Amino acid sequence: GAVVSQHPSWVICKSGTSVKIECRSLDFQATTMFWYRQFPKQSLMLMATSNEGSKATYEQGVEKDKFLINHASLTLSTLTVTSAHPEDSSFYICSASSGLYDEQYFGPGTRLTVT
Amino acid sequence: GENVEQHPSTLSVQEGDSAVIKCTYSDSASNYFPWYKQELGKRPQLIIDIRSNVGEKKDQRIAVTLNKTAKHFSLHITETQPEDSAVYFCAASPTGFQKLVFGTGTRLLVSP
Repeated sequence: GAVVSQHPSWVICKSGTSVKIECRSLDFQATTMFWYRQFPKQSLMLMATSNEGSKATYEQGVEKDKFLINHASLTLSTLTVTSAHPEDSSFYICSASSGLYDEQYFGPGTRLTVT
Repeated sequence: GENVEQHPSTLSVQEGDSAVIKCTYSDSASNYFPWYKQELGKRPQLIIDIRSNVGEKKDQRIAVTLNKTAKHFSLHITETQPEDSAVYFCAASPTGFQKLVFGTGTRLLVSP
């Protein structure tokens, strides 16, 4: 149980374009989803927290107009990187929590490369 | 906000030795402390966690200890094996927020 999927697993896009990443909880209802970014050989940095049906809460320094997060249902959250630039190239990982015992279940990650 | 420090950044041990990774946190209200193992290009995998009402937890070769007074917690791996080689992250969860603040990671290398 507690499986989280992400799609796509990797994506290459051109500078200036937008890319959407999906995060799904497959066998449980995720009241809260989290989006992390991980640069090579670095730790996971929380970008934002989203609760179903409400606006995401962004961490300090994360541009909310650039990283659009939508948590439209209890099983799906999306992250859209708008007007991507090479410095946005990173490993994006989502996690989901049912809100009961704090444990977060991580997705497999999406490697974004902006050329 | 919460800040988590992790040491060492790299750790090399011989197979069969023990490995210890230490983390300190700043927010005394944090109440949940998970440890994750991450292999290259993969998702973090929860290996053990501890809550603030417990001082120690063990699962086979892995144990975690928590000292709330000193605000630090440690991961202990005994009888290490080459397949334990990976990057290990500690994390702390500020009360009521669910979000996790991660440490900087420890690259563990277990040599045969």
